[in-house]
Amino acid sequence: AQSVAQPEDQVNVAEGNPLTVKCTYSVSGNPYLFWYVQYPNRGLQFLLKYITGDNLVKGSYGFEAEFNKSQTSFHLKKPSALVSDSALYFCAVRDINNFNKFYFGSGTKLNVKP
Amino acid sequence: DTGVSQDPRHKITKRGQNVTFRCDPISEHNRLYWYRQTLGQGPEFLTYFQNEAQLEKSRLLSDRFSAERPKGSFSTLEIQRTEQGDSAMYLCASSLDKWPSYEQYFGPGTRLTVT
Repeated sequence: AQSVAQPEDQVNVAEGNPLTVKCTYSVSGNPYLFWYVQYPNRGLQFLLKYITGDNLVKGSYGFEAEFNKSQTSFHLKKPSALVSDSALYFCAVRDINNFNKFYFGSGTKLNVKP
Repeated sequence: DTGVSQDPRHKITKRGQNVTFRCDPISEHNRLYWYRQTLGQGPEFLTYFQNEAQLEKSRLLSDRFSAERPKGSFSTLEIQRTEQGDSAMYLCASSLDKWPSYEQYFGPGTRLTVT
């Protein structure tokens, strides 16, 4: 079965410090991986994706993510956090062997303190 | 605004009533997805369309739920005989679904409250 795990319900970081939001996946075959951000009472916004190619992918708002096949991880990173980055972050995997359904993690709340 | 739109944004209904939600995807997108999201959880897949064809439906979706996408444009999600457990945010997303553009673009959601 396909699944995505976000082991941390919440991540706290001080403004200006680097941040990491963790994601691991379980998929048969090559994974298509995505990160989304959700602000209160809003829909999800696409941040970045890994389909193939370089393991380090860059996305919107200075975010990047590193695909690690051996560890089946796709952690979201940013070198210097902003207070405005505070939001809910979701990792997702597309199941190319099951009607191309998407599976989302349970989300990680990122708190960036001034 | 050329993003995904959903209507209504909020719906309060009494248990047992029927409700219908509408989603207008990004015009050139051929795939349209419906999700349900409850507090503290990630979006849960309900169903999706490739153009007008409904290709997959979650086993979690009871017979009270039905979705359509006539002419491959907008989509509607209907819930019949609503129950309190149906209270959630209902999200619609669309995607181009051509290599490598598989990412989904989400609407703002419809928040359903069943009293």
